[in-house]
Amino acid sequence: GQNIDQPTEMTATEGAIVQINCTYQTSGFNGLFWYQQHAGEAPTFLSYNVLDGLEEKGRFSSFLSRSKGYSYLLLKELQMKDSASYLCAVMDSNYQLIWGAGTKLIIKP
Amino acid sequence: DGGITQSPKYLFRKEGQNVTLSCEQNLNHDAMYWYRQDPGQGLRLIYYSQIVNDFQKGDIAEGYSVSREKKESFPLTVTSAQKNPTAFYLCASSAIDSSTDTQYFGPGTRLTVL
Repeated sequence: GQNIDQPTEMTATEGAIVQINCTYQTSGFNGLFWYQQHAGEAPTFLSYNVLDGLEEKGRFSSFLSRSKGYSYLLLKELQMKDSASYLCAVMDSNYQLIWGAGTKLIIKP
Repeated sequence: DGGITQSPKYLFRKEGQNVTLSCEQNLNHDAMYWYRQDPGQGLRLIYYSQIVNDFQKGDIAEGYSVSREKKESFPLTVTSAQKNPTAFYLCASSAIDSSTDTQYFGPGTRLTVL
């Protein structure tokens, strides 16, 4: 079966750095997406990785290792507004998105 | 402004009633999707459509129906056959011919069955 694993919840301090991991087992791979979702709102697109390596976009970076079935989202200089759930999703061989359950990130002052 | 709209934002329904959720996009995207989100679970695909007048079942299509008569619109009907319809429903769209097929989401409709 297809599976996406990410931690259920993480806590970090304002101004610090946090890394949210995602491991996957899917039938085929056509890219990995990270989305941010604030409570009660829709997911918003953060990043896309299809090749191995690090993609940096401001305070957020996303890393992919296809051989290990592993990705992480790195958030730097954390702000209170970064408190949200972070969703990892993999596009399989049929170009369907397989979603993880999300990681709820709690930022403390 | 380009985007995806869903209405209503909150919807209450009595058991045994059908209800239709609206989804409209003006992004000129070919593909549209309906997901269901429950607490502690990943998004689950209900139906998707890649072209007008055509759509495919997702992982949890039972108890739902859709139509795609126009490129901009992809309404979802939750029928009385859906055993546990209370959930957050998300509509998304994507450009099939893009390099990433990134899906963009509407604001969602929270359906509660009373």
